[in-house]
Amino acid sequence: EVVLTQSPATLSLSPGERATLSCKASQSVDIYVAWYQQKPGQAPRLLIYDASNRATGIPARFSGSGSGTDFTLTITSLEPEDFAVYYCQQRKIWPPLTFGQGTRLEMK
Amino acid sequence: QLQLVESGGGVVQPGGSLRLSCAASGFTFSTYTMHWVRQAPGRGLEWVAGVWFDGGKTFYRDSVKGRFTISRDNSKNTLFLQMNSLRPDDTAVYYCAKRRSAAGEDFDFWGQGTLVAVSS
Repeated sequence: EVVLTQSPATLSLSPGERATLSCKASQSVDIYVAWYQQKPGQAPRLLIYDASNRATGIPARFSGSGSGTDFTLTITSLEPEDFAVYYCQQRKIWPPLTFGQGTRLEMK
Repeated sequence: QLQLVESGGGVVQPGGSLRLSCAASGFTFSTYTMHWVRQAPGRGLEWVAGVWFDGGKTFYRDSVKGRFTISRDNSKNTLFLQMNSLRPDDTAVYYCAKRRSAAGEDFDFWGQGTLVAVSS
């Protein structure tokens, strides 16, 4: 099973600042990582797929990078609606499909 | 308008059974692999099971193998999850999720979820 480790667990930033979230895989997953945003009481929303491709309707301030075992989600200039929990997921080696434990992005 | 609507959740005693349903609309359901993903209260996301577009192949996480069965009825655009021998650690919100594309298993659309609580 591929284990995804996200860091930090919690990130405290202010609107307008830049957020950098990390996801590290226990073995290479090539580029096959997706990122999701989840707000309280809501289903997850796909942001990024295949490491760096924005999903339909996702603003350009969200970007992803990485390959192999190290992946990054960057949010430039945080908007108030960006404060949420973010998960990475790999689809290279499954079953099982695996998710990271999440990073909570909170407003400072 | 793409929609996934789950139903069938509830409170059940340990060892009991539940059948979840996910009604799909707004896309060609019969051409997409579909999945169930769960989230225990206050916890992260955990993939549970998946089924090919035609029901020809199914996939499970180890902890539910032999207890859960994923299936689909393409004539009714509905995904199912039959859950038997339920345990307290199966307590979670269960989401159905649509595969993004033929390229692979990430999820571009999710239902709103249905809560399963296993408790005596």
